[in-house]
Amino acid sequence: DIVMTQSPLFLPVTSGEPASISCRSSQSLLHSNGYNHLDWYLQKPGQSPQLLISLGSNRASGVPDRFSGSGSGTDFTLKISRVEAEDVGVYYCMQLLQSPRAFGQGTKLEIK
Amino acid sequence: EVQLVESGGGLVQPGGSLKLSCAASGSTFSGSGVHWVRQASGKGLEWVGHIRSKANSYATEYTASVKGRFSISRDDSKNMAYLQMNSLKTEDTAVYYCTLPGLSGSYDYWGQGTLVTVSS
Repeated sequence: DIVMTQSPLFLPVTSGEPASISCRSSQSLLHSNGYNHLDWYLQKPGQSPQLLISLGSNRASGVPDRFSGSGSGTDFTLKISRVEAEDVGVYYCMQLLQSPRAFGQGTKLEIK
Repeated sequence: EVQLVESGGGLVQPGGSLKLSCAASGSTFSGSGVHWVRQASGKGLEWVGHIRSKANSYATEYTASVKGRFSISRDDSKNMAYLQMNSLKTEDTAVYYCTLPGLSGSYDYWGQGTLVTVSS
């Protein structure tokens, strides 16, 4: 089974400053179709998770362009160019290359 | 826009059974897989299992910790999916979400979740 590891697990950020979250997988997530099968989700307090980034770098509908995803193979990064108050919550990466799908431990972003 | 509504959660004793339902609105349900994801209180997300569409023979897969105890089914005529949970353990206590993947396989849609508590 593929294991997903995120860092950091806790991320205090000043509003307006950038933020970055790392996600590593125990196996390459690069599919033969050329896409990395890695998603990013945000779970805001008291809410269900929501899709932010699909297949490594594709922003989901309605997601602000301050969010970006990059990386390939086993190393991926979610970047927020300027953190806003509404961005607080727990961020998860998830591999969808094979079953069982697996999430990272989650990174809790808070505003300093 | 697809909406998902889970129901059927509640308090059950260890060793007991519970059946969760996931009601979907929208015309894309029958052609989509349905996944279940759970989250224990204060913990991260855990993939439980999924059922594929009719075109993929309604194939199912489960995470190891629930294999043999949980079963996922669906009724496309009702736009419903189900998670039958047997031989429940205290560690199965969690909020259970159903999700629908889009064309890319990513979870475009999530329900609000239903709480299952396994306790004596």
